[in-house]
Amino acid sequence: QVQLVQSGAEVKKPGASVKVSCKTSGYTFTGYYMHWVRQAPGQGLEWMGRINPNNGDTNYAQKFQGRVTMTRDTSISTAYMELSSLRSDDTAMYYCVPSGTTYYFDYWGQGTLVTVSS
Amino acid sequence: EIVLTQSPGTLSLSPGERATLSCRASQSVSSSYLAWYQHKPGQAPRLLIYGTSSRATGIPDRFSGSGSGTDFTLTISRLEPEDFAVYYCQQYGSSPLTFGGGTKVEIK
Repeated sequence: QVQLVQSGAEVKKPGASVKVSCKTSGYTFTGYYMHWVRQAPGQGLEWMGRINPNNGDTNYAQKFQGRVTMTRDTSISTAYMELSSLRSDDTAMYYCVPSGTTYYFDYWGQGTLVTVSS
Repeated sequence: EIVLTQSPGTLSLSPGERATLSCRASQSVSSSYLAWYQHKPGQAPRLLIYGTSSRATGIPDRFSGSGSGTDFTLTISRLEPEDFAVYYCQQYGSSPLTFGGGTKVEIK
């Protein structure tokens, strides 16, 4: 069965960076895109971008261009999302979500809470 | 960017009643690439509907989706106690992918 296990909660200061991992199992890691979606407290869902684990190709939402970096390690079937220059409004739950060539999301990671506070 | 507007913001209904949720897009959604998710506190979102009207695996048939172009609807024919949650629509026909702001279905 598909499993997506994300790294634990993080507390960061404004201006710092955070790197969240998503270890996958139960499917062919390189056969599916990996997206990152976040939800700030009391807010809706927000798509950040996606990576093609097969070749590393990325597509980021314009809002996050220059601040987000999505990478992967195919040897351990793990995807990463790094967000830099953190601000208080980056406080959110971050989810990794794989998809096929049509970008709807059957499976979700358990989420990683990132808190940005001085 | 396609903006999705969901209405109403909150729907207060009793178990057994019918729920009708709306999702309106600022421009036509390509190939009816519209999905619906259910989200409960402390859990990850759950896919209900994709491709406007196809139910995801394991989703009961009381959930149905319809629509085209810019207007889409999620209908829950008879609310069960476990259906009270927040529902989001998502378009995946064009980049960036976008979600609606959500409709909360609460117990009246």
